Amino acid sequence: DIVMTQAPESLAVSLGERATINCKSSQSVLSTSINKNSLAWYQQKPGQPPKLLIYWASIRDSGVPDRFSGSGSGTDFTLTISSLQAEDVAMYYCQHYATTPITFGQGTRLEI
Amino acid sequence: EVQLVESGGGLFQPGGSVRLSCAVSGFTISNYFMHWVRQAPGKGLVWVSRVSADGSDTKYADSVKGRFTTSRDNAGNTVYLQMNSLRVEDTGVYYCVRLAEVPKWGPGTLVTVSS
Repeated sequence: DIVMTQAPESLAVSLGERATINCKSSQSVLSTSINKNSLAWYQQKPGQPPKLLIYWASIRDSGVPDRFSGSGSGTDFTLTISSLQAEDVAMYYCQHYATTPITFGQGTRLEI
Repeated sequence: EVQLVESGGGLFQPGGSVRLSCAVSGFTISNYFMHWVRQAPGKGLVWVSRVSADGSDTKYADSVKGRFTTSRDNAGNTVYLQMNSLRVEDTGVYYCVRLAEVPKWGPGTLVTVSS
């Protein structure tokens, strides 16, 4: 199984500042046949389902503010929030979908 | 508009059974693998199972293997999760998920296993 490790577990950032969350996979999640990294980022607020932010490691989902960006390839990935807003307080998860079983990072709690 | 809507959750006794449904609209499920993911209260996300596009191949997490069965009705655009021999640790919100192309999730249905 591919193990996804997120860092840090929790993060406090001031309003307007940059937030960076890292995710490392134990094996590459690059699908060579399509040259895409099978890596997604989700935001989850209490009592709500996960909300997709980024897929294929760097493609922002429709309606997601452009302050959210994803980068990385192979085994190392980053979610960046360029200018933190109050509504960004949430848990954030990375997930690979390269193979079965799908696995998730343990989550990063983002606070102000 | 793509929608996945889970149903069937509730309060169940240990050792009991329940069948969850995932009704899909906005795309034809026969073209996609479909997954179930669960989240215990206050915990992270855990993959449970997946079913191939034609239903012929299924995979399960070790924690549910032999107890849960995932299936699909492509004509009815619905995915199912049959959960038998329920345990307290099966408690959580169960999400139906399409991961291909742009990942899509349902709102989830809460299953509580308690005596």
